[in-house]
Amino acid sequence: TQLLEQSPQFLSIQEGENLTVYCNSSSVFSSLQWYRQEPGEGPVLLVTVVTGGEVKKLKRLTFQFGDARKDSSLHITAAQPGDTGLYLCAGLSGTYKYIFGTGTRLKVLA
Amino acid sequence: EAQVTQNPRYLITVTGKKLTVTCSQNMNHEYMSWYRQDPGLGLRQIYYSMNVEVTDKGDVPEGYKVSRKEKRNFPLILESPSPNQTSLYFCASSQTGGLGTQYFGPGTRLLVL
Repeated sequence: TQLLEQSPQFLSIQEGENLTVYCNSSSVFSSLQWYRQEPGEGPVLLVTVVTGGEVKKLKRLTFQFGDARKDSSLHITAAQPGDTGLYLCAGLSGTYKYIFGTGTRLKVLA
Repeated sequence: EAQVTQNPRYLITVTGKKLTVTCSQNMNHEYMSWYRQDPGLGLRQIYYSMNVEVTDKGDVPEGYKVSRKEKRNFPLILESPSPNQTSLYFCASSQTGGLGTQYFGPGTRLLVL
């Protein structure tokens, strides 16, 4: 069974701080996605990374896919209260099957 | 408005009473999928459908059935619900699956007594 483990599980930081969330597996994935989920809603896609070593930036968010395509990280610079939410990574196994990570719950205090 | 809708949003039922959660999308997407979300476990894929009449098992298909008779609808059927199926369920769709963006519905919170 393929697993994606995220760390940390919970993170509470002050506005303006930087943070990194990790997504690790012993399995190789053909691509990896990051989602953010807010209470009472479904996850919303932030980014898809496909190539090993790929780095993508989305404003203050930087996403990296590991060289071996087994891990990924999400770095947020100067976090804001609007970044609060549950962050989920999801690996694509084969063509159509998704394996989601366990989630990182982030709270940014004003 | 492009969206994925689920009904009902909340459901309390008893063990063994068959139920169906409906999912519909208006984006003409080929791919649809069902997930359950449980604390500490993230989302786990139950079933997915690559296109009409083609479905396949995800990681946790036991106790669930699906059907895809038309492109827009992908109902999730619990023939004999049990308390361990108490969970938050999400339906999602995407144009192609794979690298395509998945759009999630608002979720259905199910409690099986």
